[in-house]
Amino acid sequence: KNEVEQSPQNLTAQEGEFITINCSYSVGISALHWLQQHPGGGIVSLFMLSSGKKKHGRLIATINIQEKHSSLHITASHPRDSAVYICAVRPGAQKLVFGQGTRLTINP
Amino acid sequence: EAGVAQSPRYKIIEKRQSVAFWCNPISGHATLYWYQQILGQGPKLLIQFQNNGVVDDSQLPKDRFSAERLKGVDSTLKIQPAKLEDSAVYLCASSLGTGEKLFFGSGTQLSVL
Repeated sequence: KNEVEQSPQNLTAQEGEFITINCSYSVGISALHWLQQHPGGGIVSLFMLSSGKKKHGRLIATINIQEKHSSLHITASHPRDSAVYICAVRPGAQKLVFGQGTRLTINP
Repeated sequence: EAGVAQSPRYKIIEKRQSVAFWCNPISGHATLYWYQQILGQGPKLLIQFQNNGVVDDSQLPKDRFSAERLKGVDSTLKIQPAKLEDSAVYLCASSLGTGEKLFFGSGTQLSVL
């Protein structure tokens, strides 16, 4: 079983829909990252969080440490949000452990 | 602020050839990472530097991969000789320190034929 599980693996939605991507992990962590990867490889760090909730524009990330679960929400989704979204956790001071990613496609 | 610079952007080589990738992190970032990302998978850490010292190279195939960060700034990753299974995107990332937010380069897409 992977230490980091994301769901769904693939998600297709219409422009304007509210999007939720989930991440569950099995180890104690010091931080969780949400990353965005567009075709072509470049990765952008969206959030780093260890508790509660963070918001940036139309993106919201939440984490529940007790349940070992995090969600990434996108409000009013747009085709430019189409990308692979990756959850990564840091167990203590150890190296980041990455999920497999969720491929999001937003159709106009 | 300049981001993490990587070159080349794409590289195609034949198996058994050698290849080198270059990374220049964000100025002032002490920590530098090299990741390998095979298609459809999440990134896998190959090596982590703190300044010019190696913090973690446990997943680096040392029989063929090498990396250095001699002056604690830019870094090179070398594969010699390359195998078909080395085809992947090689990502460089940097951060102010371990546990800080990561900033990624655009990656080098390597195809080994």
